[in-house]
Amino acid sequence: GAVVSQHPSWVICKSGTSVKIECRSLDFQATTMFWYRQFPKQSLMLMATSNEGSKATYEQGVEKDKFLINHASLTLSTLTVTSAHPEDSSFYICSASDLPGREQFFGPGTRLTVL
Amino acid sequence: SQQGEEDPQALSIQEGENATMNCSYKTSINNLQWYRQNSGRGLVHLILIRSNEREKHSGRLRVTLDTSKKSSSLLITASRAADTASYFCATETNTDKLIFGTGTRLQVFP
Repeated sequence: GAVVSQHPSWVICKSGTSVKIECRSLDFQATTMFWYRQFPKQSLMLMATSNEGSKATYEQGVEKDKFLINHASLTLSTLTVTSAHPEDSSFYICSASDLPGREQFFGPGTRLTVL
Repeated sequence: SQQGEEDPQALSIQEGENATMNCSYKTSINNLQWYRQNSGRGLVHLILIRSNEREKHSGRLRVTLDTSKKSSSLLITASRAADTASYFCATETNTDKLIFGTGTRLQVFP
């Protein structure tokens, strides 16, 4: 099956700093990538959808200036958490799809802890 | 919120028993998918059932879908300790987005 990687797998940062998380499709071209956030013992909540070469579409309640998403190539999307605060601590998961309506392949997730 | 709901929230059974999880959703769907997530790990895709299908099997998994009731169930037969995980349903609509359910935490005791 298609493989999606995320880097880093975990990160600890100080409050006020920015953190970048990468999502890569390793063996296919991802026209669409999705970013999810998951708090402990809760479900995945979609944050935004990004299409290669265009601006991301954010879900209601997600601050686009705080969670910057870039999908500059067909194999890479990045999520930057700007001026991170402890409440941003969460498990961030990306997924990728090669065509609209096709199966999403999920990355292994990135655990962010903001001190 | 459009998020689906699952029940039970948590389920504890002995190895060899069957586990049934239920999922209810709110909108029209193209398909419904079930995923497994081990603690702190990524998602594993288990099975997809399309809106025009009523039942699907994959190994020890059996999924049903009732679009009139907007509900689905996942049955794991002859459970094993390795089945211990959280299970999520996710519905896909015309927007290509996946809306995840609240999840069921399954614990299978040896």
